[in-house]
Amino acid sequence: DAKTTQPPSMDCAEGRAANLPCNHSTISGNEYVYWYRQIHSQGPQYIIHGLKNNETNEMASLIITEDRKSSTLILPHATLRDTAVYYCIVRVGTLSGNTPLVFGKGTRLSVIA
Amino acid sequence: GAVVSQHPSRVICKSGTSVKIECRSLDFQATTMFWYRQFPKQSLMLMATSNEGSKATYEQGVEKDKFLINHASLTLSTLTVTSAHPEDSSFYICSARQVTNYGYTFGSGTRLTVV
Repeated sequence: DAKTTQPPSMDCAEGRAANLPCNHSTISGNEYVYWYRQIHSQGPQYIIHGLKNNETNEMASLIITEDRKSSTLILPHATLRDTAVYYCIVRVGTLSGNTPLVFGKGTRLSVIA
Repeated sequence: GAVVSQHPSRVICKSGTSVKIECRSLDFQATTMFWYRQFPKQSLMLMATSNEGSKATYEQGVEKDKFLINHASLTLSTLTVTSAHPEDSSFYICSARQVTNYGYTFGSGTRLTVV
């Protein structure tokens, strides 16, 4: 799986958009970008994933650059409950196989009132 | 959505005793489950891959005789920390892979403290 690089920490004002970047310059054509977050003392929570098109769901938007070498997770209106460590993970997206998700260090997002 | 139930959420045990952690997929079958360990202020580290009906696959450096994994059914995997020591104190998290989509669902974690 391709390696990802994320800033170690970010702050965001409550109610503002949080934009979390991720670099994955060695991503290959069949690898997806996954985003998970981990609130303190809980298990990771799935947020969103995508291949090359931008994606949006009820939690966030995922913007992937045209060359797929980087992406940005956008939380449109951050709340205090969005304070967590956010992980960007790149891996092959297949319906079969038993390979696990491999976590990097992630970005610690602090939403400030 | 898919739910993975992990119990207990918190356990304190004496050094030298064993602790069992359960991980259940509540509304889907999981032929494969993964076990992670997380030390304070660090990321999740994969310990082992648990396959239903067969032996688990352990990551390098993880003692298979110390961390016993059993995956006897399609909805239950257990991790037993044998002869626990204070250095085994950590946050243990399980994850199950859904076979119908790309999803990985995580349990809520177990905080193990060995005193």
